[in-house]
Amino acid sequence: GAVVSQHPSRVICKSGTSVKIECRSLDFQATTMFWYRQFPKQSLMLMATSNEGSKATYEQGVEKDKFLINHASLTLSTLTVTSAHPEDSSFYICSARTATAALYGYTFGSGTRLTVV
Amino acid sequence: QKEVEQDPGPLSVPEGAIVSLNCTYSNSAFQYFMWYRQYSRKGPELLMYTYSSGNKEDGRFTAQVDKSSKYISLFIRDSQPSDSATYLCAMESGTSYGKLTFGQGTILTVHP
Repeated sequence: GAVVSQHPSRVICKSGTSVKIECRSLDFQATTMFWYRQFPKQSLMLMATSNEGSKATYEQGVEKDKFLINHASLTLSTLTVTSAHPEDSSFYICSARTATAALYGYTFGSGTRLTVV
Repeated sequence: QKEVEQDPGPLSVPEGAIVSLNCTYSNSAFQYFMWYRQYSRKGPELLMYTYSSGNKEDGRFTAQVDKSSKYISLFIRDSQPSDSATYLCAMESGTSYGKLTFGQGTILTVHP
């Protein structure tokens, strides 16, 4: 089945620094990837849709200048949290829609737990 | 009112029990319905993906969708301790490509 690889799995950074999270589709091409955020004991909330070769589409209330998304190839999308603050601490998860979505739906990465201290 | 409502539980059952998980929704535009399993600090894993009203079975899992009542269910037969996880329902409309709306998730524990 389709695999989405996400790195790092866990990162701790100092307040004010930037952190980059990578999401790769390993055995398929993903023209579109999605970035979610999940706070403790809460559900996943879509942050943005990443489109290969074009600008990302952000959900209402998500700061595009803070959460920079780059989708430079068909297999790689990156999320950079700029000038991170403690309130940005969360679980970030990417997903991609496979070509056979009717059977396989959306495949998620393993997530990145960001802690800003 | 949230678009998708899911009882967070927690739900604790003995091994071998039948588990019933449910979600209700308010947006009639939702066309695609999914159930995901999420282990602690991991990404969600797709269990079931359905489009229309009715039942879909895959091994020990059965998904039911009732669009008229805006109600979906996931049944787990012969539950195992390894089924202990958080179960998330998710929905997608036919027009908002890729935008999944998730329920809060139900924490399930299956004890031996």
